[in-house]
Amino acid sequence: KQEVTQIPAALSVPEGENLVLNCSFTDSAIYNLQWFRQDPGKGLTSLLLIQSSQREQTSGRLNASLDKSSGRSTLYIAASQPGDSATYLCAATGFQKLVFGTGTRLLVSP
Amino acid sequence: SQTIHQWPATLVQPVGSPLSLECTVEGTSNPNLYWYRQAAGRGLQLLFYSVGIGQISSEVPQNLSASRPQDRQFILSSKKLLLSDSGFYLCAWSSGLGSYEQYFGPGTRLTVT
Repeated sequence: KQEVTQIPAALSVPEGENLVLNCSFTDSAIYNLQWFRQDPGKGLTSLLLIQSSQREQTSGRLNASLDKSSGRSTLYIAASQPGDSATYLCAATGFQKLVFGTGTRLLVSP
Repeated sequence: SQTIHQWPATLVQPVGSPLSLECTVEGTSNPNLYWYRQAAGRGLQLLFYSVGIGQISSEVPQNLSASRPQDRQFILSSKKLLLSDSGFYLCAWSSGLGSYEQYFGPGTRLTVT
């Protein structure tokens, strides 16, 4: 049974810092790894999807990497801004189903 | 472009009352559809998914049920709500082909009193 863990559970940084969020999964037989952002009381916004055959994906200040052999993915956020404050969730995709981590709550202070 | 809708946005219901939450998707055909629940302080839990009309797979035994009466409509129901049914309910869709990337709706906040 796939299990997904995210570290740290919470992170507080000053504006401008580069930061890394970690995601680990126990079963390497995944189709892809997806990163989401969730603002309080809102739905999930898809940030990046890394196919199982890929090593990384980039979108603006975000870069996500995937190492299937070690069961790890990282989300790198460059030059953080207060608007980046949210909960970040990673999810590993098996056959048609996602298994979510419990998230990292990020607070970027001005 | 594709859009996913959920309603109602918030709902307060007494224990023992029925439930019906609706999700619709626009701009795509034959999507895979999903219901998740996010309880306070807990992660997202997959409740049901559907790969076609009338095809429902249940992930967690409980007093909830799901139906898919039309291609782009997914309904979550209960005959009698429990206190433990409180939470944030999210509907999602994917194309069912290729990447299985999922897209989420705005969610329904359910409080059972």
